[in-house]
Amino acid sequence: NAGVTQTPKFQVLKTGQSMTLQCAQDMNHEYMSWYRQDPGMGLRLIHYSVGAGITDQGEVPNGYNVSRSTTEDFPLRLLSAAPSQTSVYFCASGLSGSYNEQFFGPGTRLTVL
Amino acid sequence: AQRVTQPEKLLSVFKGAPVELKCNYSYSGSPELFWYVQYSRQRLQLLLRHISRESIKGFTADLNKGETSFHLKKPFAQEEDSAMYYCALAYYYGNNRLAFGKGNQVVVIP
Repeated sequence: NAGVTQTPKFQVLKTGQSMTLQCAQDMNHEYMSWYRQDPGMGLRLIHYSVGAGITDQGEVPNGYNVSRSTTEDFPLRLLSAAPSQTSVYFCASGLSGSYNEQFFGPGTRLTVL
Repeated sequence: AQRVTQPEKLLSVFKGAPVELKCNYSYSGSPELFWYVQYSRQRLQLLLRHISRESIKGFTADLNKGETSFHLKKPFAQEEDSAMYYCALAYYYGNNRLAFGKGNQVVVIP
């Protein structure tokens, strides 16, 4: 099993550009989520999904869109990138249930100029 | 609203000395608490969770609901314990949403 995979590993964007961060998991997990990690801030939840076709907002959703058409994939879209979105983005997946372990991807380091 | 507080950013300890990372939480419901660890050039991974009441790599953590704390402890630090440690709270019953603390960088000095 590859676990949770993310692409790309690094990306540089100009302000106003759009892009999609890809996330896939092969563990048949119902729950998937996106976090951003900023220096001194820990990880903050952007969006999450409890299953195919179901998504919801987390703590910091503004400027991001998600969709979940399959169990395996959970892409994160930046519609119009801003310098404030410079961050490291982590995708995670797990079985539903608040006591369950979350499995994290390797992260995508995004810089917006 | 839920909140997780980890007061120290950087903790330097000598090999063989005890390690304690503090974590306090604020949550009105029944808490599910975790410690996640990120070693250099590795993914964030689960270290332990309070529901399991287990010791992993010599680390333990006890949930104290009266003090709303979930401190992580290890009696004798090893060099391989150098890492970033995050305390996390699952704040929606039946869901996996996590609120993370800001993290502790632990450096074990040989």
